Amino acid sequence: DIVVSQSPLSLPVTPGEPASISCRSSQSLLHTNDYNYVHWYLQKPGQSPQLLIYLGSNRASGVPDRFSGSGSGTDFTLTISRVEAEDVGVYYCMQALHTPITFGQGTRLDIK
Amino acid sequence: EVYLVESGGGLVQPDKSLRLSCEASGFTFDDHAMHWVRQVPGKGLEWVAGISWNSCCTGYADSVRGRFTVSRDNAKYLLYLQMNSLRVEDTALYFCARAQYRDFWSGYPVDAFDIWGQGTMVTVSS
Repeated sequence: DIVVSQSPLSLPVTPGEPASISCRSSQSLLHTNDYNYVHWYLQKPGQSPQLLIYLGSNRASGVPDRFSGSGSGTDFTLTISRVEAEDVGVYYCMQALHTPITFGQGTRLDIK
Repeated sequence: EVYLVESGGGLVQPDKSLRLSCEASGFTFDDHAMHWVRQVPGKGLEWVAGISWNSCCTGYADSVRGRFTVSRDNAKYLLYLQMNSLRVEDTALYFCARAQYRDFWSGYPVDAFDIWGQGTMVTVSS
């Protein structure tokens, strides 16, 4: 199975400051179709996960443009350009190149 | 508005069975593959199973293969998860999730999950 590791696991951020979360996989997630099969989700407190970024760098519908995804192969980054209070929650990356689909451990973002 | 609503969870003894349902609304159900994902309270996410739009293809996590069966009824806009031989370690909140597109083949790339239900809790305990 593909192992996905996130860092940091805890991320306290001052509102208005940027934040970055790293996601690394044990195998390349780059498919021969040139898409990276990594998706990012945010699970806000008490809610179900919501899709933020798909295929490494594409923002899902309704996601603010302060969220961006980058990377290729085995190293990926989710960046929030200016953190807002509503961004609090746990962020997960998910590898979707091969089943079984696997998730990172999650990164808990909270406000300082 | 697009909704997924899970039901069927509850308290069940080890080795017993339970069937979860997920009712979809607000979109064309057979335009999408569907998945089940579970989460132990306070812990991370674990993919459980997936099924293509026409039920031709399914896939399972190793931890549930041979015990769980995913199915769907497109006419009724329902997704199911039949869980047999339940174990204490199956205790979790079970989410159904919609994939962006209709195809799913085990071993091939999987589309992102763009809609999630609120989950139904399954507790396996004697």
